[in-house]
Amino acid sequence: KQEVTQIPAALSVPEGENLVLNCSFTDSAIYNLQWFRQDPGKGLTSLLLIQSSQREQTSGRLNASLDKSSGRSTLYIAASQPGDSATYLCARLKGYSSASKIIFGSGTRLSIRP
Amino acid sequence: DVKVTQSSRYLVKRTGEKVFLECVQDMDHENMFWYRQDPGLGLRLIYFSYDVKMKEKGDIPEGYSVSREKKERFSLILESASTNQTSMYLCASRGDDYGYTFGSGTRLTVV
Repeated sequence: KQEVTQIPAALSVPEGENLVLNCSFTDSAIYNLQWFRQDPGKGLTSLLLIQSSQREQTSGRLNASLDKSSGRSTLYIAASQPGDSATYLCARLKGYSSASKIIFGSGTRLSIRP
Repeated sequence: DVKVTQSSRYLVKRTGEKVFLECVQDMDHENMFWYRQDPGLGLRLIYFSYDVKMKEKGDIPEGYSVSREKKERFSLILESASTNQTSMYLCASRGDDYGYTFGSGTRLTVV
């Protein structure tokens, strides 16, 4: 079973809508949770980082929350714009040591229709 | 802001060539990583380094090696490139807050 699951795999909405992307984990031991954006053929851009002691982070129209008890994180995008079209990846950190790894979800491909 | 720079956006190499992918970060991070990304397989960790001259194998190290002679630079080496190494290669560094910063990626095609 996937350690990090993102639902839906793809989403298409009209411009202006508020939307929620979901990320869930099989392991309840949550360290950091990080959301990224990836445009086609490009690298990953960090959007928000939630430390294990935090419950949410906000940046502009983006808000990410972390619920460790349910093993879920959500990324909320307000007033979506065509420029938000990209693939969104969540990733959870497995520990706080030099050898700790980050595990990625498979992503949600978002398309905002003008 | 932390910047991670990958020297090439696109590379085309021939089978059997030795290939160097370079990555430089400007924030004095100790931890650096190399991933490859393929459709349907997501990001897979090749190698990582937590200090100068230190390296650890990731999940798919076969066919690759790395070099970290200076803290800011982490190089991925394909000793003898093969067509199954055609992929998007992503370098990342990790800060004290354990947040990751990625470079813009190198699209490598081996013909």
